Amino acid sequence: DAGVIQSPRHEVTEMGQEVTLRCKPISGHNSLFWYRQTMMRGLELLIYFNNNVPIDDSGMPEDRFSAKMPNASFSTLKIQPSEPRDSAVYFCASSLGMNTEAFFGQGTRLTVV
Amino acid sequence: QKEVEQDPGPLSVPEGAIVSLNCTYSNSAFQYFMWYRQYSRKGPELLMYTYSSGNKEDGRFTAQVDKSSKYISLFIRDSQPSDSATYLCAMKIQGAQKLVFGQGTRLTINP
Repeated sequence: DAGVIQSPRHEVTEMGQEVTLRCKPISGHNSLFWYRQTMMRGLELLIYFNNNVPIDDSGMPEDRFSAKMPNASFSTLKIQPSEPRDSAVYFCASSLGMNTEAFFGQGTRLTVV
Repeated sequence: QKEVEQDPGPLSVPEGAIVSLNCTYSNSAFQYFMWYRQYSRKGPELLMYTYSSGNKEDGRFTAQVDKSSKYISLFIRDSQPSDSATYLCAMKIQGAQKLVFGQGTRLTINP
């Protein structure tokens, strides 16, 4: 298995633009997580899905952020409009049910200028 | 106060040294304790996990949990330059999906 696949690996965009990050979880995993990592705040959980249903989105910082999981093999995290303070590395992770191990993707490094 | 506190370092030690990494936490409901290793420009990967209190050993790595003190540790014996990475502790409540991470400690092992 190729693991969790995220795209793009790097994204540079101008303030005010819409940004869409993509994630393909490991096949068969039914839980999917979106994290944001910064030097100041470390790794923060933004939202997670179980069986494609959003369970906890309390970590989503603002209404500018939205996430979807239309099927078991694909999820998106959208920021509209983007701001410089959104610059961070965004990770997607997946796990199998209540198994403790979450497998992370390589991350998307977002820079908003 | 954060639920999980971890000294971000950086920590630099010579090759062969014993490394001790630590986290403290405030939520007594945490039951699963994990250590993730993250190499530069990569995603975190699970290194070890323990349930409740006690020790767990895997090769050169030992994880300890002291629930009475709300304190967990990761020890690395005979440290190698390839161990240079950021180490993140993570915890969760039994039955919950949400992992709460520490900030991570950047470790460098000097040859």
